[in-house]
Amino acid sequence: AQSVSQHNHHVILSEAASLELGCNYSYGGTVNLFWYVQYPGQHLQLLLKYFSGDPLVKGIKGFEAEFIKSKFSFNLRKPSVQWSDTAEYFCAVKQGATGGGNKLTFGTGTQLKVEL
Amino acid sequence: NAGVTQTPKFRVLKTGQSMTLLCAQDMNHEYMYWYRQDPGMGLRLIHYSVGEGTTAKGEVPDGYNVSRLKKQNFLLGLESAAPSQTSVYFCASSYSMTDRMITDTQYFGPGTRLTVL
Repeated sequence: AQSVSQHNHHVILSEAASLELGCNYSYGGTVNLFWYVQYPGQHLQLLLKYFSGDPLVKGIKGFEAEFIKSKFSFNLRKPSVQWSDTAEYFCAVKQGATGGGNKLTFGTGTQLKVEL
Repeated sequence: NAGVTQTPKFRVLKTGQSMTLLCAQDMNHEYMYWYRQDPGMGLRLIHYSVGEGTTAKGEVPDGYNVSRLKKQNFLLGLESAAPSQTSVYFCASSYSMTDRMITDTQYFGPGTRLTVL
C-alpha cells in the first residue's frame, strides 16, 4: 500500500524565517501530489498541486513545492513565513490514472507555529 | 455556491447510540469521501463513493456505513458508537476523472466534531 511520510511533526519558526517541510511517498508510478493547509478551527484548503509539467509548483500565499521524482519527494517551501502561516500542513498523494475514486493518501501532518 | 457542507458541526453521543452525519455538495461532483482526522494520524479514508448509488470501503471502514442515494448527498452512519470513534469527520468531493490530463482536486467541508462518551 502507498504511504506518505512527513518527517517534521512540529516546526517552530520566527517570522521572516524560511520554511521547508518534507514529504516523501512510496509509490513508484505516476502520481499526483498535493499540499493542503488547515488553519486553526478550519477545514482543509488546497495550497498547491502537481499533476505534470514543471516540477516546481507555485501555490497561494507565496508557497511553492518541488517534485523530485528520483527522490519520491514533494517538499513545501516558503522564503519568509508570517505569523498567519501558523497552521497544520498535510501532504497528499493520488496514484495517477488508476481510477477507482481518485483516492488520496495523506501524510500525518506537520504542525507549524510561527512566533512573532 | 456553498461548496461542501456538513451537518451537524458538533455532536456528543453515548456509547452504543447511533447517528448519521450528512454531507452535501453543490458542485455536481461525482466522487465523495468521508475521512476521519485524529491527532498525529492525519486524515484516513473511511468510505467513498464514485457515483450515485455506489459506495466503497476506504482504509478504516469498520463501524461505519454510508449511503449515496442522491448525487449531491453522502451520509455517514455510526451503527453503535464507541469511544474509539471520537474524532473530527471531514467530507470531501471531487470531479470524476474521464481523462488522465484532467486535474482533480478534493474540496473539503468544515468538519463534524464527534465525541463518544
